[in-house]
Amino acid sequence: GDSVTQMEGPVTLSEEACLTINCTYTATGYPSLFWYVQYPGEGLQLLLKATKADDKGSNKGFEATYRKETTSFHLEKGSVQVSDSAVYFCALTLYLNRDDKIIFGKGTRLHILP
Amino acid sequence: GAGVSQSPRYKVAKRGQDVALRCDPISGHVSLFWYQQALGQGPEFLTYFQNEAQLDKSGLPSDRFFAERPEGSVSTLKIQRTQQEDSAVYLCASSLVSTAVINNEQFFGPGTRLTVL
Repeated sequence: GDSVTQMEGPVTLSEEACLTINCTYTATGYPSLFWYVQYPGEGLQLLLKATKADDKGSNKGFEATYRKETTSFHLEKGSVQVSDSAVYFCALTLYLNRDDKIIFGKGTRLHILP
Repeated sequence: GAGVSQSPRYKVAKRGQDVALRCDPISGHVSLFWYQQALGQGPEFLTYFQNEAQLDKSGLPSDRFFAERPEGSVSTLKIQRTQQEDSAVYLCASSLVSTAVINNEQFFGPGTRLTVL
């Protein structure tokens, strides 16, 4: 079935370090890919998305590129801040299959130390 | 404008009790989704409404779970005879249009944390 696998956390980094959170997917159709973020005490928010191969989604200094050949959508940031501490979820939908439900990975907790 | 709201934010139930969780979507949003998020896990799809029609309930874990959206706006998720394994955060999301639209972003509410003792 359709699924998302992301690296397990927690991930602990110092401020200004480089971040990569790996994400791979399995999909029966042609998925759209997302990263959602859940800050402490807040609801899920869309961070970035990409809807076709080789698209790059970006927001708040984060980037992820839709790689169809490796079925991956890794999240990257060049210099993290304490305020980036949160749980990050990789996700997909199959809009083209007329299926809007979001399939999420298990989440990766990120701690940034000052 | 207001986002998606959910109530109550926290609910403690004794095993065997019935509970009702409410979701107020963004005004005018056609689609409404319910997800269940167990501790330390990602959200998992429960059910989907387009206006008042429940088009997909494939994620409901048992017949103790029931959802409705009678007037195409507010939705209620009801769990009968709650069990400890029902303890989770229940998330509601709404989106402006119906399926198969690529930029159809879902907006999430803060969730209801259900604890079954």
